[in-house]
Amino acid sequence: DAGVIQSPRHEVTEMGQEVTLRCKPISGHDYLFWYRQTMMRGLELLIYFNNNVPIDDSGMPEDRFSAKMPNASFSTLKIQPSEPRDSAVYFCASRASGQGYEAFFGQGTRLTVV
Amino acid sequence: GEDVEQSLFLSVREGDSSVINCTYTDSSSTYLYWYKQEPGAGLQLLTYIFSNMDMKQDQRLTVLLNKKDKHLSLRIADTQTGDSAIYFCAVPRDSNYQLIWGAGTKLIIKP
Repeated sequence: DAGVIQSPRHEVTEMGQEVTLRCKPISGHDYLFWYRQTMMRGLELLIYFNNNVPIDDSGMPEDRFSAKMPNASFSTLKIQPSEPRDSAVYFCASRASGQGYEAFFGQGTRLTVV
Repeated sequence: GEDVEQSLFLSVREGDSSVINCTYTDSSSTYLYWYKQEPGAGLQLLTYIFSNMDMKQDQRLTVLLNKKDKHLSLRIADTQTGDSAIYFCAVPRDSNYQLIWGAGTKLIIKP
């Protein structure tokens, strides 16, 4: 398996624009997580899905953030409209239930909002 | 709620041992994890320890667990420049079996 795949690796956008981050989890994994990493706040869990259903979105900072998982092999995190303070590295991770809690991370998307 | 604390930085000389510490609040965790994040990369599982163990050794890595004090440590023997990374302690939250992350300790290697 190629692991968790995220795209794009880097995104630079202007304030006010819509940004969509994409994630393909490892095949067979039924949990999917979106994290945000910044110098100031460290690693924050934004939302996670189980069997494509959002379970906990309490970490989503504002209504400008939304996440979907239309099927077991794809998820998106959308920011609309984007703001400079959204600049961060966004990670997607997945894991399989019944195999401990080990999460497998993607390489991340570095988002810069100017 | 669950809280996991780590020092933000550790500086060691190449060849010395590095000890990265972590404290947590939840007392019913089953597995406790150490992840490594190299520059520009995602987090990767480095090692883990089951809560009924006191120590786990894996080559240059030694994990120590003191359940009474809720203290977890990672020792890296003979630290090399390739060990430069951020090390995260992660502890499951029992209520929903998700990981609670420490802030990460940046390991800096001095020549």
